[in-house]
Amino acid sequence: AQSVTQLDSQVPVFEEAPVELRCNYSSSVSVYLFWYVQYPNQGLQLLLKYLSGSTLVKGINGFEAEFNKSQTSFHLRKPSVHISDTAEYFCAVSDGWGKLQFGAGTQVVVTP
Amino acid sequence: GAVVSQHPSWVICKSGTSVKIECRSLDFQATTMFWYRQFPKQSLMLMATSNEGSKATYEQGVEKDKFLINHASLTLSTLTVTSAHPEDSSFYICSAMDRANTEAFFGQGTRLTVV
Repeated sequence: AQSVTQLDSQVPVFEEAPVELRCNYSSSVSVYLFWYVQYPNQGLQLLLKYLSGSTLVKGINGFEAEFNKSQTSFHLRKPSVHISDTAEYFCAVSDGWGKLQFGAGTQVVVTP
Repeated sequence: GAVVSQHPSWVICKSGTSVKIECRSLDFQATTMFWYRQFPKQSLMLMATSNEGSKATYEQGVEKDKFLINHASLTLSTLTVTSAHPEDSSFYICSAMDRANTEAFFGQGTRLTVV
């Protein structure tokens, strides 16, 4: 069985400050890891994914994440946020066949 | 990236009626699609896996007779909420896998309100 824990339900951050969203997972098999962003009343947009290879993954909009197998973590970071980064962020794990197990989500609120 | 279109984006229906939601992969073929449900301020919960040409696989606790899934072609899956009730009001989102099975592309979601 797989599960995902997002440690922060809400993260307030000032514009141009860095942000880190924490995600831990558990799985008995090899996993694929994802971060998605969701804007109000919209579907999900993929920010980045880890399938294999380099543990530092770079995504869109300046986001990056690091896969840490020993700590079973896949934290998302951005060095400088914009107002437009205000959204809900979901960490997800997959067994490789498309079925995604999502974390509870982290609401990022960027203020000027 | 690949595009998944979901229609309608929102719908209001009367209690007891049925509502059909369509999920289309516009520029790729998807043998597998997934349907998720999201309650306000909550995460996405997988409802079922839709396989082209075969019966859908439902997650535990999801009523297959209430949430009918049809995946008649490689580009279209439909979810029909039968005899809808107010507690079925939710945000429904579909996703489709690309051929390499490495990424799921999501539709824009359907906001269902049952009154």
